[in-house]
Amino acid sequence: QSVLTQPPSASGTPGQRVTISCSGSSSNIGSNYVSWYQQLPGTAPKLLIYRNNQRPSGVPDRFSGSKSGTSASLAISGLRSEDEADYYCAAWDDSLSGWVFGGGTKLTVL
Amino acid sequence: EVQVVESGGGLVQPGRSLRLSCAASGFTFDDYAMHWVRQAPGKGLEWVSGISWNSGGTGYADSVKGRFTISRDNAKNSLYLQMNSLRAEDTAFYYCAKDNHPYYYDSSAYWDYWGQGTLVTVSS
Repeated sequence: QSVLTQPPSASGTPGQRVTISCSGSSSNIGSNYVSWYQQLPGTAPKLLIYRNNQRPSGVPDRFSGSKSGTSASLAISGLRSEDEADYYCAAWDDSLSGWVFGGGTKLTVL
Repeated sequence: EVQVVESGGGLVQPGRSLRLSCAASGFTFDDYAMHWVRQAPGKGLEWVSGISWNSGGTGYADSVKGRFTISRDNAKNSLYLQMNSLRAEDTAFYYCAKDNHPYYYDSSAYWDYWGQGTLVTVSS
């Protein structure tokens, strides 16, 4: 059972907009930044979003992040087949004094 | 080009020890905290341990506390994970990840570079 809660799966057709949620508590998302990671099949995770809504250079602006209260969301617009991957949220947890992840969401492009 | 490369994985019996290494290049290693994150086959990511830039602070997941020890050698641009009393549930890919801050507990931090991982299999 992960500390942060994500839906196990999401899907969309090419060109659509999909969102992936990440729910936490006051000790993690509620008081700290959220980052998102993309893991393509058979590869290492890659930073996608940091500090709730910032994109590293090289990440397309189709990817965006937001946070409200104890929840965060990752939105992908103009969905493409190469976006098919697992997506993870992460945050520091003040109560655990450690980093926590969501269980991951497998995105399927239909 | 920033690179982090893990090594040291393999098959080990329950109760035995193993030491993982991570060789870093392409950035000023002693400016940043470093972490180990693991992923059991077919499962999600789990933070294992982090260490601040000067080894002045270390943190561990409850699942490995007391069994694993993280360390670094800034002169060698290397990160290590000493794993003792290994259990079947420690079987996973272990990733070395670079932090973008000097302190592993900085809540505004994130992992901007990851290695390809090294597989640790604990089985008799």
